[in-house]
Amino acid sequence: EAQVTQNPRYLITVTGKKLTVTCSQNMNHEYMSWYRQDPGLGLRQIYYSMNVEVTDKGDVPEGYKVSRKEKRNFPLILESPSPNQTSLYFCASSVAGPYEQYFGPGTRLTVT
Amino acid sequence: GQNIDQPTEMTATEGAIVQINCTYQTSGFNGLFWYQQHAGEAPTFLSYNVLDGLEEKGRFSSFLSRSKGYSYLLLKELQMKDSASYLCAVRLYSGAGSYQLTFGKGTKLSVIP
Repeated sequence: EAQVTQNPRYLITVTGKKLTVTCSQNMNHEYMSWYRQDPGLGLRQIYYSMNVEVTDKGDVPEGYKVSRKEKRNFPLILESPSPNQTSLYFCASSVAGPYEQYFGPGTRLTVT
Repeated sequence: GQNIDQPTEMTATEGAIVQINCTYQTSGFNGLFWYQQHAGEAPTFLSYNVLDGLEEKGRFSSFLSRSKGYSYLLLKELQMKDSASYLCAVRLYSGAGSYQLTFGKGTKLSVIP
């Protein structure tokens, strides 16, 4: 089954404790992206990757890092999480792009 | 900066037609998407317009006017399951073969009997 998977689905952590949210797709898509979704602000792009080893900042990249060492994986790293990074995070992929994007199920992160 | 506007909420009656508008002021415009998002779920792709005109897909149609910076999503024969948020998103060319995607804040549609 074609899909985008994210782990973990839910995470509660404390300020400053490094964490990684994994994202993997099995569709051989070139384009991958991370978004955060907050009430009243909508979906905002954090980082995106046009292909392996190519990453670019989106609209809200501060406090996040990404890497794209292989085509299928695009992890999101929070080196020192802060409460303002509490949000719902979505990973997405598309053939090239962004074109028709397939979204993962989301990761709900709470930073206390 | 980039700006994408759409109404926050709309209500429509089952069986009716509803039009959700989206206006944008952006640089590097390279296409417009509509996504549907049910509460508690991930967005799913509905439509894509890159040239002016109407794209029809079943009960859903999307229109684009690049000169006006305007798009709309038309939903016909509304069903209760169409109650969801509808997200307008603009693809922007960032240079060096790179494309970014910026979303509007979404329109929450409630379909009532």
